[in-house]
Amino acid sequence: KQEVTQIPAALSVPEGENLVLNCSFTDSAIYNLQWFRQDPGKGLTSLLLIQSSQREQTSGRLNASLDKSSGRSTLYIAASQPGDSATYLCAVEYGNKLVFGAGTILRVKS
Amino acid sequence: GAVVSQHPSWVICKSGTSVKIECRSLDFQATTMFWYRQFPKQSLMLMATSNEGSKATYEQGVEKDKFLINHASLTLSTLTVTSAHPEDSSFYICSARRQPAGVWETQYFGPGTRLLVL
Repeated sequence: KQEVTQIPAALSVPEGENLVLNCSFTDSAIYNLQWFRQDPGKGLTSLLLIQSSQREQTSGRLNASLDKSSGRSTLYIAASQPGDSATYLCAVEYGNKLVFGAGTILRVKS
Repeated sequence: GAVVSQHPSWVICKSGTSVKIECRSLDFQATTMFWYRQFPKQSLMLMATSNEGSKATYEQGVEKDKFLINHASLTLSTLTVTSAHPEDSSFYICSARRQPAGVWETQYFGPGTRLLVL
């Protein structure tokens, strides 16, 4: 069964701190892996997409890595800001299907 | 580019009524559209995949007769929740893909529709 797990479930940090969100997946035959941000009651915003042949992607203060062999990905957020507070979802694509993790609820305190 | 809209953004209905939710790709043609459901504080669960002009493929445990999906054109898919009950209350999100499976292309997500069944 294809499962995606995210740790921690929730995280609260002071502003300015660097932080890491973790994602693991059981089936390594992935097509790609994507990190999304979801604000309360809202849809999804795509942050980073890593193809199965890639090891990392960067966008601004965000860096996502992928280790397919170990079934893991991390999302690194540098110099966190209160505006980063949201739920972060990891999703793994298998063929034509996206499997989502339960998310990490991030709160950045000012 | 690659904007997906949903209508309505939220709806309240009485138990036993049917509710239709529309998903539109505004500036591209979507070969495939997906419908997800998200319960409070849970992640998105894929309900079904629809390809334009053909029947939707439902995930295990999703009732086809309960959740009717029609992908009538390359820019519109509709989800109808028939005879809605309070347990159907959820956040429904659609997504669309421009290219067929096997060709690199991400899914573009709509803003979601919140359904509350009284």
